[in-house]
Order: sequence, then C-alpha cells, then structure tokens
Amino acid sequence: EAQVTQNPRYLITVTGKKLTVTCSQNMNHEYMSWYRQDPGLGLRQIYYSMNVEVTDKGDVPEGYKVSRKEKRNFPLILESPSPNQTSLYFCASSPWGETQYFGPGTRLLVL
Amino acid sequence: KNQVEQSPQSLIILEGKNCTLQCNYTVSPFSNLRWYKQDTGRGPVSLTIMTFSENTKSNGRYTATLDADTKQSSLHITASQLSDSASYICVVSANSGTYKYIFGTGTRLKVLA
Repeated sequence: EAQVTQNPRYLITVTGKKLTVTCSQNMNHEYMSWYRQDPGLGLRQIYYSMNVEVTDKGDVPEGYKVSRKEKRNFPLILESPSPNQTSLYFCASSPWGETQYFGPGTRLLVL
Repeated sequence: KNQVEQSPQSLIILEGKNCTLQCNYTVSPFSNLRWYKQDTGRGPVSLTIMTFSENTKSNGRYTATLDADTKQSSLHITASQLSDSASYICVVSANSGTYKYIFGTGTRLKVLA
C-alpha cells in the first residue's frame, strides 16, 4: 500500500531533550516536506527536500533540523525542544509539483 | 508576498444542504491549485487539482472552480453528508525553479443531522 508513515504518533517530552520524528514513504517520491499545524494558523512548512541530499528551509525552520540521506526517509530532529514546539506535525511526499501525500501526523507535547 | 486566504473561517450547515467555500490567492508564478480535506487529527487528503487553464473540476459531490483572472477559487459541496464535517484547505503551488506550496488556513465545516 502506498503510504507515508510517521513515528512516533504521540510523544511527550521535556524541554531540552533531543528527539527525532521519523518519516518514510514507499512511493519513490523526490519531494518530501515537514509541516507543523497549530490552531488558527493552518499548516506551516518547516523544511523541505527536493531530492536526496537536497534540503531547504521552509517558513518556520528555527529549532529544527532535517536530513535526506535516502530517498524514502526524511527525519525531523529537534535538538533542544522547547514548549513552543508543542504542535501537530505532518510529513508529506510527492513527485515534483504534484499532489502531496500526507502522513498520519505526530502530536508532540514539550513540557 | 505569496498568500492564500480562505473564507469563511468556519461554517455550520444541515445535512443535505449545499455550501460553497472560497479561496483567494496572490501567488506568483502560479502553477496549480488544490483543495484538500482534513479530518480532525489526520493528514490532509487531496480532493481536486486545477491548473491555469481549467475552470471547473469535479470529484463526486465536490466541485472546484478556478478564475485565474481574479485569482479566486471555490469549492462547492452538494447534498452535504455528516462525513463532510472536516477542514477544507486551499493550497496554491508556485513554480519559480523550485516548487513552493502556499497553504490557506482552512475552512472548518460542520454538518449537522
């Protein structure tokens, strides 16, 4: 089944404790992206990747890192999480310029 | 500045009624426009995609229109069902060498029995 998977789906952590949210797609898509969604603000892009080893900042990259060592994986790293990073996170993938397929979301709470 | 604005912010209708959601955009250079449906707590799912030359596109009870001159799009839902309760997000793509997706904040639709 064609899909985007994210892990974990739910995460509670404390300020400053490094964490990684994994994202994997099995559709051989070049483009992958991370978004965060907060009430009243809609989806905001954190980072995106046009292909392996090619990443770029979105609209709200501060406090996040990404890597794209393989085509199928695009992990999101929070080196030192803070409470303002509490949010619902979505990973998405697509062929270039085409419809994005979204993962199920990761709900993160930073205490 | 690339921007996508949606209206209304929220909408409540009775089951079986029709409704229309609006999307206005200032995105350049325009590539295409998509409408997504997002159920609460889940990832958005694409409903329609429209390019510059397309005026109307349907997907079952969902019909999207695009006026590229006025930079407006609408999503019309016919004979609404309880399962239509969701957020509807308008996303416009810009292509200036790299693809950029600009998201609206969505319209939250509630269908009541």
